[in-house]
Amino acid sequence: EAGVTQSPTHLIKTRGQQATLRCSPISGHTSVYWYQQALGLGLQFLLWYDEGEERNRGNFPPRFSGRQFPNYSSELNVNALELEDSALYLCASLKDAGSLPFDTFGSGTRLTVV
Amino acid sequence: DQQVKQNSPSLSVQEGRISILNCDYTNSMFDYFLWYKKYPAEGPTFLISISSIKDKNEDGRFTVFLNKSAKHLSLHIVPSQPGDSAVYFCAASVYSGNTPLVFGKGTRLSVIA
Repeated sequence: EAGVTQSPTHLIKTRGQQATLRCSPISGHTSVYWYQQALGLGLQFLLWYDEGEERNRGNFPPRFSGRQFPNYSSELNVNALELEDSALYLCASLKDAGSLPFDTFGSGTRLTVV
Repeated sequence: DQQVKQNSPSLSVQEGRISILNCDYTNSMFDYFLWYKKYPAEGPTFLISISSIKDKNEDGRFTVFLNKSAKHLSLHIVPSQPGDSAVYFCAASVYSGNTPLVFGKGTRLSVIA
């Protein structure tokens, strides 16, 4: 069974640009969670999508947004990139919202803003 | 406000000895606690969990202890092996299914052969 897959692995963008990160959940999973791991910090909760709807978001500005597609894959968009957005972005999935824990996260997308 | 704290950024232990990783939390509503392990260039992987109705949970070489009154949990690895060298994250949640996991900053464990 394939795990959570994320693309791209690395992404380099210029300040002010937009970044799009993608996540494919484990087959059969409908909930997708996005986390940011900035240098020296733990994983910070970003967004949670379930059945195509945004269910919860963390303490991040509105320029962090995303969506979930009918096949349950998800996209994270970061607009007006700032240098401090440089981080590892991790995605995890659950079969349903109540079925903690996340077994594994994807390997992440390393976003570098220059 | 950091609700889950791992105050030791790093820990070095000799192979075969016990590794003890500590975690403190501030939110008394948390009732489910987890540990994740992360190798470089990989996503975190679930290791072990404990609910607030227990004070100990074992899985092979890994044991998690929970002290609710002190709002403290610890992960014991016995015996430590070089392959255990990784970053360990403590996480906590209110097990309603509607609140996300809150993670600590992680502790880098190095097991020296």
